[in-house]
Amino acid sequence: DSGVTQTPKHLITATGQRVTLRCSPRSGDLSVYWYQQSLDQGLQFLIQYYNGEERAKGNILERFSAQQFPDLHSELNLSSLELGDSALYFCASSVQATAGELFFGEGSRLTVL
Amino acid sequence: QQQVKQSPQSLIVQKGGISIINCAYENTAFDYFPWYQQFPGKGPALLIAIRPDVSEKKEGRFTISFNKSAKQFSLHIMDSQPGDSATYFCAASMGGYSTLTFGKGTMLLVSP
Repeated sequence: DSGVTQTPKHLITATGQRVTLRCSPRSGDLSVYWYQQSLDQGLQFLIQYYNGEERAKGNILERFSAQQFPDLHSELNLSSLELGDSALYFCASSVQATAGELFFGEGSRLTVL
Repeated sequence: QQQVKQSPQSLIVQKGGISIINCAYENTAFDYFPWYQQFPGKGPALLIAIRPDVSEKKEGRFTISFNKSAKQFSLHIMDSQPGDSATYFCAASMGGYSTLTFGKGTMLLVSP
């Protein structure tokens, strides 16, 4: 158990809808990362927050947004969903903002029909 | 160039054999190279990591070999066991940033 909690574990929705994925980092970790995992693209970095502030941005679509709250939990919002958004979404956390071990949750599997 | 290229895509090794997975990168600013292991239904977990000031790092049956001039690094799993069957990802990060750029993964199957 990595100590990172993600909810929901599974989510099925329709195209055009909006969903919110939630992540609680390990106790004491200030950095939260969101990654998208698909069969053909592997693990793609979406966005990182450190202590409530956006730290780095990757290949995140404009339809997607995220935030980190004062209690350090994070939410990833996906809107105007398309079939291609179906994937596993992982949250990871780490103590610092610089290179080191990332602790991954078990992921949220999103299916868009 | 942010890419990390990983090969092979899949690998079958007999129990007791050596599993070798290779990665190559272009960005010379990368200075941290971890390997992550992922079992089905689980998130990736750090297996072993290396920085470019050493050419090799060993932890138990797992060894990273690093070739800075060739911009390549590899994971060797000695005495591979069925319990090692998983997907392995190489990754890299640079400078003061902790965001990892991952390879596309290698699905390893160790046959009994």
